[in-house]
Amino acid sequence: EVQLVESGGGLVQPGRSLKLSCAASGFTFSDYNMAWVRQAPTKGLEWVASISYGGSNTHYGDSVKGRFTISRDNAKSTLYLQMDSLRSEDTATYYCARHNIGTTPNWFAYWGQGTLVTVSS
Amino acid sequence: DTVLTQSPALAVSPGERVTISCRASESVSTLMHWYQQKPGQQPTLLIYLASNLESGVPARFSGSGSGTDFTLTIDPVEADDTATYYCQQSWNDPTFGSGTKLEIK
Repeated sequence: EVQLVESGGGLVQPGRSLKLSCAASGFTFSDYNMAWVRQAPTKGLEWVASISYGGSNTHYGDSVKGRFTISRDNAKSTLYLQMDSLRSEDTATYYCARHNIGTTPNWFAYWGQGTLVTVSS
Repeated sequence: DTVLTQSPALAVSPGERVTISCRASESVSTLMHWYQQKPGQQPTLLIYLASNLESGVPARFSGSGSGTDFTLTIDPVEADDTATYYCQQSWNDPTFGSGTKLEIK
């Protein structure tokens, strides 16, 4: 069974940093492109970033480009999101998601339960 | 960015057929996918590449369309289908529609 378990969320002040983790199990982590998708309270879904299965290619949404960094450790089957210079508009539940199999990431086949990040003074 | 437009809400009775639409601001070929999000839960994949049913998803769900106009159909609707449904395109950087909240009367 595919499992994605996020951690690291919490309350953080504007301008500070936070690092999210996503522990994956139930599949060969190094075979899949991975992603972070967020959802602000009572709002819709917003793609944040994706990373290739080997970690060499990364892609970011415009709203986080230059502030967030996606990375992975295939030996630990773990995905990360380093979030710097946080803003109040980054307040959201952050979901770890597994892309479809294959070299071209299209859809998000599995999602974790999410971790809530609140940016407030 | 490709903007995806969905109607905000629908209300139907159990046993009825419901269609949820998604219009893209530019052609995305068949690179359109659909998700269901029940209250308090994470999204789950229903349909990928416009018309392919994800494994384990009931055959009551189907998808169609290409280019700019896409449809998710549930037939027949059940009470458990109460949820918000999102479309997502992968023609370029992923974007999601704003979601259609489905209420079962």
